[in-house]
Amino acid sequence: NAGVMQNPRHLVRRRGQEARLRCSPMKGHSHVYWYRQLPEEGLKFMVYLQKENIIDESGMPKERFSAEFPKEGPSILRIQQVVRGDSAAYFCASSPQTGSPSYEQYFGPGTRLTVT
Amino acid sequence: GENVEQHPSTLSVQEGDSAVIKCTYSDSASNYFPWYKQELGKRPQLIIDIRSNVGEKKDQRIAVTLNKTAKHFSLHITETQPEDSAVYFCAASWMDSSYKLIFGSGTRLLVRP
Repeated sequence: NAGVMQNPRHLVRRRGQEARLRCSPMKGHSHVYWYRQLPEEGLKFMVYLQKENIIDESGMPKERFSAEFPKEGPSILRIQQVVRGDSAAYFCASSPQTGSPSYEQYFGPGTRLTVT
Repeated sequence: GENVEQHPSTLSVQEGDSAVIKCTYSDSASNYFPWYKQELGKRPQLIIDIRSNVGEKKDQRIAVTLNKTAKHFSLHITETQPEDSAVYFCAASWMDSSYKLIFGSGTRLLVRP
């Protein structure tokens, strides 16, 4: 009964490098949400994806950030040319229903990105 | 867009007392209101949720109330225990917004033994 999986759990990057964060939803879930949590703050929505489709990216920064959820494999959140302000915990959540999303979202353990 | 405000930001109670955390939302289209508990360094865990067609929901020591007219909802924890100490987040969601969760800023609850 595997839950939402994320890797790596911790990621250290120097300024200017690329960060790739992976999320595997719960078995049978085909809806993935990414959220960012800055230190000592709440969670902010970034992007919502279904398999092979970006549905809502209204929370994504306009530059350097991209996301995908291919037909096979995990969802990827990619941050190019990282800056210190990107240091945060990145959580993904998956939603139970396949045809249309359901309200409940279950979170993965998060990836803690540190930019040095 | 939707905005969720949460109060208080910190709350300290004696073990056995009750704790109440309040949230208000701005978009009347919101119809799903979950509460998450987050321990230090851990993932947010869904502890209870309520939908707009219900005014109150209870699960053992935890209850949530919703006032749609006033656009606010509250989390009530009774008989608090030290293990209830954590950060609690409220959130709001609605169908036309892709069901994305808009979170409050969090309440740090400390239960003193």
